[in-house]
Amino acid sequence: GAVVSQHPSRVICKSGTSVKIECRSLDFQATTMFWYRQFPKQSLMLMATSNEGSKATYEQGVEKDKFLINHASLTLSTLTVTSAHPEDSSFYICSAEKGIQHGYTFGSGTRLTVV
Amino acid sequence: QKEVEQDPGPLSVPEGAIVSLNCTYSNSAFQYFMWYRQYSRKGPELLMYTYSSGNKEDGRFTAQVDKSSKYISLFIRDSQPSDSATYLCAMRKGSATNKLIFGTGTLLAVQP
Repeated sequence: GAVVSQHPSRVICKSGTSVKIECRSLDFQATTMFWYRQFPKQSLMLMATSNEGSKATYEQGVEKDKFLINHASLTLSTLTVTSAHPEDSSFYICSAEKGIQHGYTFGSGTRLTVV
Repeated sequence: QKEVEQDPGPLSVPEGAIVSLNCTYSNSAFQYFMWYRQYSRKGPELLMYTYSSGNKEDGRFTAQVDKSSKYISLFIRDSQPSDSATYLCAMRKGSATNKLIFGTGTLLAVQP
C-alpha cells in the first residue's frame, strides 16, 4: 500500500508564532504532495500543490507568505504557518499519490489551535 | 453550479441496512473516481478507486460509475456502526492534471 505520515497530529501555539507541519511518504517517492485545509463539517479545501525541487503552486486566495511550503526531498513536504493567528486554527491535511493507479493517500491530519 | 454535488446528509440507517451514497458531476472530463471515508478528526481513507464507467466491488463496498449520467454511487452492504463516518466522493480529470475535486461529503450514522 501507500502510507503517508503527518506530524504533529495536534499543536497549540501562541498568536504570532510559527508552526511547522511535516508530511512524509513512507513507502514511496512523491514528486508532488498536496496540502488541504478543512473547517468543521466542511469538505477539504486545496491550499497548494507542493512540487519536489521547485516552488509550490498556491490556490487562489491562499497567502503564499503565510503558508510556506518546502518540498526538499521526494519523501518530505513541510507546511509552515507563519505568524499564526486564531483564524488560522483549522485541520490541515496532506496527501500524495504513489501512482495514478493507486489514487491519493492522505495523512492523518494536524489540528492547529492558535491561542 | 459546483463541479461535484453531494448530499451532505446526515443519513441515519439501522445496522445491517444497505447504504447508498451518491455524487453527481457536471464536467464530462472526469475520468478517475474515488470514495473516501473520514472519521472525525482524522484524514480521509481511500475506500474505492475506479476508472471510467463500470462497477467495482471490494468486500461490503461497491462503487458504480455511470459517465453517461455523470453519476457515481457507493453502496455499503450489511452496514455496521463502525461505518459511521463522513463519506467523500472525489474526481480527477486525467493523468495530465493531478488535482482532486471533492464533493462536500455525506455524514452517515449507522444505529446499532
